[in-house]
Amino acid sequence: EAQVTQNPRYLITVTGKKLTVTCSQNMNHEYMSWYRQDPGLGLRQIYYSMNVEVTDKGDVPEGYKVSRKEKRNFPLILESPSPNQTSLYFCASSPLGANTDTQYFGPGTRLTVL
Amino acid sequence: DQQVKQNSPSLSVQEGRISILNCDYTNSMFDYFLWYKKYPAEGPTFLISISSIKDKNEDGRFTVFLNKSAKHLSLHIVPSQPGDSAVYFCAASYTGYALNFGKGTSLLVTP
Repeated sequence: EAQVTQNPRYLITVTGKKLTVTCSQNMNHEYMSWYRQDPGLGLRQIYYSMNVEVTDKGDVPEGYKVSRKEKRNFPLILESPSPNQTSLYFCASSPLGANTDTQYFGPGTRLTVL
Repeated sequence: DQQVKQNSPSLSVQEGRISILNCDYTNSMFDYFLWYKKYPAEGPTFLISISSIKDKNEDGRFTVFLNKSAKHLSLHIVPSQPGDSAVYFCAASYTGYALNFGKGTSLLVTP
């Protein structure tokens, strides 16, 4: 089954404790992206990657890092989480190509930073 | 600054009637528009899209209309069903990849 998986699905942590949210896709997609969803703000892009070793900032990259060492994985790293990073996070992927018009989203990771 | 705006946070419609969800955008460079549907505890799923070279696209009960001069698009669901109750996000792109999302409209279809 074609899917995007995220782990963990739920996480409660404390300020300053480094954490990583993993994202993996089995569709051999080149493009991967991270979004956060906050009440009243919709989904906002954090970082994206066009291919292995190619990453770039989205609209709200502050406080986050990413890496793309393998095509299927795109982890989101919070080196020193703060309460304003409490949010619902979605990973997404899509193939590159002229007719690409959809992104496939993971189920989401709900993060609470105390 | 929000480039894609969904000004109605919620909408309630009776089963069998038409649901109309609206979306406005400010960036004239956007050339691809999409609607995503999201159920609680799940990721958004693609619903329907439209290219800027078209003004209408249909897929079953779902139709998206694009008015480029007004920078406005709408999603029509006819007839609405209780299973359509979800949050609908409008999104726009000019790179083909980076999506700019609206804040979403929560649709409730009542029996």
